[in-house]
Amino acid sequence: RKEVEQDPGPFNVPEGATVAFNCTYSNSASQSFFWYRQDCRKEPKLLMSVYSSGNEDGRFTAQLNRASQYISLLIRDSKLSDSATYLCVVTSAVQTPLLFFGTGTRLTVIP
Amino acid sequence: SQTIHQWPATLVQPVGSPLSLECTVEGTSNPNLYWYRQAAGRGLQLLFYSVGIGQISSEVPQNLSASRPQDRQFILSSKKLLLSDSGFYLCAWRGAGSNQPQHFGDGTRLSIL
Repeated sequence: RKEVEQDPGPFNVPEGATVAFNCTYSNSASQSFFWYRQDCRKEPKLLMSVYSSGNEDGRFTAQLNRASQYISLLIRDSKLSDSATYLCVVTSAVQTPLLFFGTGTRLTVIP
Repeated sequence: SQTIHQWPATLVQPVGSPLSLECTVEGTSNPNLYWYRQAAGRGLQLLFYSVGIGQISSEVPQNLSASRPQDRQFILSSKKLLLSDSGFYLCAWRGAGSNQPQHFGDGTRLSIL
């Protein structure tokens, strides 16, 4: 079983739409959670950390559900520039340096 | 602030040739360092990671090797490249602490002919 699983998409949404991605993780004792964004042929970049109480950064909202072992990313008022692949990342439960990356969900925002 | 440098950005090599990719980090001490490979349209594959000078952990057995000769330098090498080594190679660093994210270099796009 994979440590992190994501729906690969693609998600094709019109400008201005709201879109949500979910990601599930297998280890209930995982400590930290992140969302990364990766543009085509570029490196992944940290979008936001995910905190237990949920957190918001402008049009982006991240949620953590420990009981069901999933994290979510909500994007409101989608822009063309939001088109990218969104990667869910989970740290190991134990004191190791490893992070586990999902394979990513591809989003295309259509004019 | 911390920065990570990775070079070259693009590399074209013949099958059987050697490889050396270098990554350096500035502005932090004793970072955890990582090498990943990403095939076209695929997810990240962790190749090696290091928690300190001379300490290398290999995640995937293959014809690649890694070294960490200095605290903030991480090198990916191969003696003889295979066609299957083509891909996008990414170096990353992470600070101490379980709540720290990773930060990636710009990547090296390697094509084997």
